[in-house]
Amino acid sequence: NAGVTQTPKFRILKIGQSMTLQCAQDMNHNYMYWYRQDPGMGLKLIYYSVGAGITDKGEVPNGYNVSRSTTEDFPLRLELAAPSQTSVYFCASSYSGDTGPYGYTFGSGTRLTVV
Amino acid sequence: AQTVTQSQPEMSVQEAETVTLSCTYDTSENNYYLFWYKQPPSRQMILVIRQEAYKQQNATENRFSVNFQKAAKSFSLKISDSQLGDTAMYFCAFMIHGSGNTGKLIFGQGTTLQVKP
Repeated sequence: NAGVTQTPKFRILKIGQSMTLQCAQDMNHNYMYWYRQDPGMGLKLIYYSVGAGITDKGEVPNGYNVSRSTTEDFPLRLELAAPSQTSVYFCASSYSGDTGPYGYTFGSGTRLTVV
Repeated sequence: AQTVTQSQPEMSVQEAETVTLSCTYDTSENNYYLFWYKQPPSRQMILVIRQEAYKQQNATENRFSVNFQKAAKSFSLKISDSQLGDTAMYFCAFMIHGSGNTGKLIFGQGTTLQVKP
């Protein structure tokens, strides 16, 4: 199925553990993003990428890292997990056409709990 | 800095009636886009409607329409003939567009809409 694929859908981590959230898109979009959504809140940007090999920090990058070696993949790495990183994580991709940006295509999200 | 404000944390509407969700934003830019996203209990984020700031005409998508007031920096969403499937959290979002743009979306805090039978 075309779109943005995130894995895993759920994960429980112990404090201090590390993990990588995977994100892949097959729409050849240049732009990719990682957001986190805390309960009852809006989405906050963690990291973004405007193309392969280019990444930059968003609003809340501390405790995370990303890489973009290909157009398709944009993994998010959590080092030394902390309870404050308990959240739902969304990956998204977008492109800009002749009439401007069309908004994002979102993955289905990863619910992460740090205990 | 750009901000998006949704002042109604929760709203409810009877099935088949009309409801309007409010959104205001703050920016000094002229070239931007505005979006409404729907997040049902499934958690999936779904694009509802998109508005280009340079267009005077309000965007519509079936039962969904917006009232875009550029001078007032207001972008409300009207849902007509509300259906039970419209129950969701709705997010207003803003994106600057132009040279060097990164396509970053700035989201409001969301409005939870409950459609009652």
